[in-house]
Amino acid sequence: DAGVIQSPRHEVTEMGQEVTLRCKPISGHDYLFWYRQTMMRGLELLIYFNNNVPIDDSGMPEDRFSAKMPNASFSTLKIQPSEPRDSAVYFCASSFGGGRETQYFGPGTRLLVL
Amino acid sequence: GESVGLHLPTLSVQEGDNSIINCAYSNSASDYFIWYKQESGKGPQFIIDIRSNMDKRQGQRVTVLLNKTVKHLSLQIAATQPGDSAVYFCAENRATGRRALTFGSGTRLQVQP
Repeated sequence: DAGVIQSPRHEVTEMGQEVTLRCKPISGHDYLFWYRQTMMRGLELLIYFNNNVPIDDSGMPEDRFSAKMPNASFSTLKIQPSEPRDSAVYFCASSFGGGRETQYFGPGTRLLVL
Repeated sequence: GESVGLHLPTLSVQEGDNSIINCAYSNSASDYFIWYKQESGKGPQFIIDIRSNMDKRQGQRVTVLLNKTVKHLSLQIAATQPGDSAVYFCAENRATGRRALTFGSGTRLQVQP
């Protein structure tokens, strides 16, 4: 099993640019989660999907952030326009059965906005 | 490759000793808890979980204890090895219908050879 796959692993961009992060969950998992990890705020849940449908996006910081899951094997997190305070490591995780089941994390995308 | 926080609590132990990492949770309605390990530059990795109908659960070299009375969770690592050096997070599922985990701030474990 390849595990959760994220791309790119590293992204450096300039303020104002659009950034798209990608995630492929583990096959068969029905929940997908996007997290952000920073030194100041730790690991925060941004949004999660169940069967490709967004269930809770209350953690999305603002309208500049959007996430989609067009099918069971692919999700994107987009930031437009990006700002320096968006610099963080973004993790995607997937699980079978939601919050009371083990979530498996990808390796993360390290984003730096200059 | 730091994971979180310049000011993470740090536990430093000698190789071969047992380690105990503690976590307090706030929501008495939480019914599921997980310990994750995060090595530098990697995503959190599942270690062990426990449900609220249990007080103790054992894995390979790890034991999780749950004290619901004081809302406290601990992770015990037996015969700590250099490869155990990482940041450890506890996470809880707050049984409020939101099927997602809430993570603690983490503890850094440093194993001295």
